[in-house]
Amino acid sequence: EAQVTQNPRYLITVTGKKLTVTCSQNMNHEYMSWYRQDPGLGLRQIYYSMNVEVTDKGDVPEGYKVSRKEKRNFPLILESPSPNQTSLYFCASSTQRTGGSLGYTFGSGTRLTVV
Amino acid sequence: AQSVAQPEDQVNVAEGNPLTVKCTYSVSGNPYLFWYVQYPNRGLQFLLKYITGDNLVKGSYGFEAEFNKSQTSFHLKKPSALVSDSALYFCAVREDSNYQLIWGAGTKLIIKP
Repeated sequence: EAQVTQNPRYLITVTGKKLTVTCSQNMNHEYMSWYRQDPGLGLRQIYYSMNVEVTDKGDVPEGYKVSRKEKRNFPLILESPSPNQTSLYFCASSTQRTGGSLGYTFGSGTRLTVV
Repeated sequence: AQSVAQPEDQVNVAEGNPLTVKCTYSVSGNPYLFWYVQYPNRGLQFLLKYITGDNLVKGSYGFEAEFNKSQTSFHLKKPSALVSDSALYFCAVREDSNYQLIWGAGTKLIIKP
């Protein structure tokens, strides 16, 4: 089944403790992206990647890092999480940055709570 | 600057009635418009998009959307609502010359039996 897999689904952590949210897609998509979803704000892009070793900042990159060493994986790293990073995070992939003919495929989300 | 607005936080519709979820946008160039749906505890799913051509776009699950250039709108519609249509709906827009996708805040659609 074509899908984007995120792990973990739920995570509660403490301020300052480094964490990584993994994202993997099995569709050979070039484009991958991370979003955070907050009530009343819709989706805001954190980082995106056009292909292996090519990443760029989105709208809200502060406090986050990413890497794209393999085409299928695009982990999101929070080096020193803070409470304002408590949010619902989504990874998405597509054949193109524009969404291609089938739009973006989203993962099921990671609900992160930083206390 | 690009922007998209979903003026209704929530829309309530009785099962079997037609539904409309509103979206208006602002771009400098030609718009590319998208609708996505998010079911509880799930990721977003692509419903439909408008790039060019016919103003009425048909998508998944019986949904359609009408592009209106003069009113800068892209409202999502369905002739007969189902309880299973209850979900959060997002509109998104980008310009043809700009890859950045801008998302609306979302509209919660509640279909009552």
